[in-house]
Amino acid sequence: GQSLEQPSEVTAVEGAIVQINCTYQTSGFYGLSWYQQHDGGAPTFLSYNALDGLEETGRFSSFLSRSDSYGYLLLQELQMKDSASYFCAVISGGYQKVTFGIGTKLQVIP
Amino acid sequence: DVKVTQSSRYLVKRTGEKVFLECVQDMDHENMFWYRQDPGLGLRLIYFSYDVKMKEKGDIPEGYSVSREKKERFSLILESASTNQTSMYLCASSPVRDYSYEQYFGPGTRLTVT
Repeated sequence: GQSLEQPSEVTAVEGAIVQINCTYQTSGFYGLSWYQQHDGGAPTFLSYNALDGLEETGRFSSFLSRSDSYGYLLLQELQMKDSASYFCAVISGGYQKVTFGIGTKLQVIP
Repeated sequence: DVKVTQSSRYLVKRTGEKVFLECVQDMDHENMFWYRQDPGLGLRLIYFSYDVKMKEKGDIPEGYSVSREKKERFSLILESASTNQTSMYLCASSPVRDYSYEQYFGPGTRLTVT
């Protein structure tokens, strides 16, 4: 089966940088995704990494190391609106099965 | 814009009732998914479907069934609701030929079983 580990909570200061780590165990690995979910909202897609390295999208970047079964989401210039839960998810198997981690609740403080 | 809609935002049912949760997507996506979300447990996959009339069990299918008679509609059925099925249920869809495997989520249905 699949398993993912990510921290349950992180607190960071507005304007700072925060890194949310994710380690995974799976077979038939395709890639690693990140989703953001605000309280009361639906998860929304942030990024996807299939190959090793860093992908940058504005203030957010995502990294993958396939050999280490490890990835992270990097949020720069934190804003109060970034307070949300962030989920890593592995895509694996022939049917694009997506398995989510438990989520990291990020609190941005002034 | 992709739109995924779910039949109800809030639902209250009694133990033993048969419950239907409906999900409709308007972007001709092949894949559809049902998750439940519980505090501290993240999103757990119940069932998914990669084509009409096709279904695959996810990680927690016990107590649930699904139906996909049309491409745009994916239904989750609780044959006999129990209190441990009280949860937030999220539907999602994704296209097959999408490099990023991005899933588009509906707003969720908060089901309470009393």
